[in-house]
Amino acid sequence: SAVISQKPSRDICQRGTSLTIQCQVDSQVTMMFWYRQQPGQSLTLIATANQGSEATYESGFVIDKFPISRPNLTFSTLTVSNMSPEDSSIYLCSVEAGTAGPYEQYFGPGTRLTVT
Amino acid sequence: AQSVSQHNHHVILSEAASLELGCNYSYGGTVNLFWYVQYPGQHLQLLLKYFSGDPLVKGIKGFEAEFIKSKFSFNLRKPSVQWSDTAEYFCAVKGAGANNLFFGTGTRLTVIP
Repeated sequence: SAVISQKPSRDICQRGTSLTIQCQVDSQVTMMFWYRQQPGQSLTLIATANQGSEATYESGFVIDKFPISRPNLTFSTLTVSNMSPEDSSIYLCSVEAGTAGPYEQYFGPGTRLTVT
Repeated sequence: AQSVSQHNHHVILSEAASLELGCNYSYGGTVNLFWYVQYPGQHLQLLLKYFSGDPLVKGIKGFEAEFIKSKFSFNLRKPSVQWSDTAEYFCAVKGAGANNLFFGTGTRLTVIP
């Protein structure tokens, strides 16, 4: 298993500003993922972040809006840029871990973002 | 396109009642299937998973799920629910060898003591 922490746990931000969310894992992992859970909706994958390479974004998400860093095997950041109220969501970090494939995904506690 | 459908948005049961939550998926290939649970104020936790082999899988806290390939279903069951099972339950599917987890919209379970 993997234990994941996120910072901040919640924030209230003004439109037009940016917020960087941090994700820390207690073990080295290859695959890290960022999800969004909008109010009343399910989780949607934003991007996959591998150490040493550019993040891979899902349809509807772009690097300019959600830049991601992955400097090492235990840490990643997601920035929500130029925020609008539509970005109000819970943002979750996830990692793939296990002793052998197929692997399970473990989730962090999430960051609840409110944009005013 | 891949998709996951959870038919029940909110289920209310009395303690000791039996539970079955529906999950159907659309995916053109071999799949890995998961049920996650989110207790109030807590983060998502893996309840059980199916990768291959016996289609009836058992998870934590007495939950089980059955993979029926012909019906593209992976329904979650528990013979007798407890108040502590009150939570949101998410079905998820991933293509074998793929990275993306596709989630259903979730089912909120409320168990009345």
